[in-house]
Amino acid sequence: AQSVSQHNHHVILSEAASLELGCNYSYGGTVNLFWYVQYPGQHLQLLLKYFSGDPLVKGIKGFEAEFIKSKFSFNLRKPSVQWSDTAEYFCAVIGGSSNTGKLIFGQGTTLQVKP
Amino acid sequence: EPEVTQTPSHQVTQMGQEVILRCVPISNHLYFYWYRQILGQKVEFLVSFYNNEISEKSEIFDDQFSVERPDGSNFTLKIRSTKLEDSAMYFCASRLAGGPQETQYFGPGTRLLVL
Repeated sequence: AQSVSQHNHHVILSEAASLELGCNYSYGGTVNLFWYVQYPGQHLQLLLKYFSGDPLVKGIKGFEAEFIKSKFSFNLRKPSVQWSDTAEYFCAVIGGSSNTGKLIFGQGTTLQVKP
Repeated sequence: EPEVTQTPSHQVTQMGQEVILRCVPISNHLYFYWYRQILGQKVEFLVSFYNNEISEKSEIFDDQFSVERPDGSNFTLKIRSTKLEDSAMYFCASRLAGGPQETQYFGPGTRLLVL
């Protein structure tokens, strides 16, 4: 079965620090990859997604992610975090065998940015 | 910007009672989903719905669960006889009719507590 693993459950950073959140998936075929964010009290919203083309994907709010097929990874990065980036971050995948768009989520990473 | 809405935001019910969770997807979307997140666990896919029928469902989505699109705007999840383990946050999502890589837009969730 497809699965997604996020290595960091809780990350604490100071403002201006660089961020990298790990995400690995298990599916070996064609995948669509997503990072969603949930700010406190708000709903899940899309940060960025990859489905083909350039493996370096840029998203909203200065986030980017790199798809490395050989490592089954899709790590999220931001060069300089802000206090407003405090949120929960979810990596998700749609395996190529699913034509319904069923998202398989990782367990999430809580990011706390200290001002 | 159009949003997915969900009602109620919180629901408390007694074990064995029926609950109906309501969602209003974005108006031109054609694929609809329910996910849930038990406290401290991953967001899990429950069911996808397209063209007035279930297109995919998970093992969690047993006979106690049903979905319906009773009119042109609402999308409901019914739990016939709630169990303690149904306590979770339930998220509705919708997307356009393009391929599975189309972005899913999530509602704010309904927090269900079964006593």
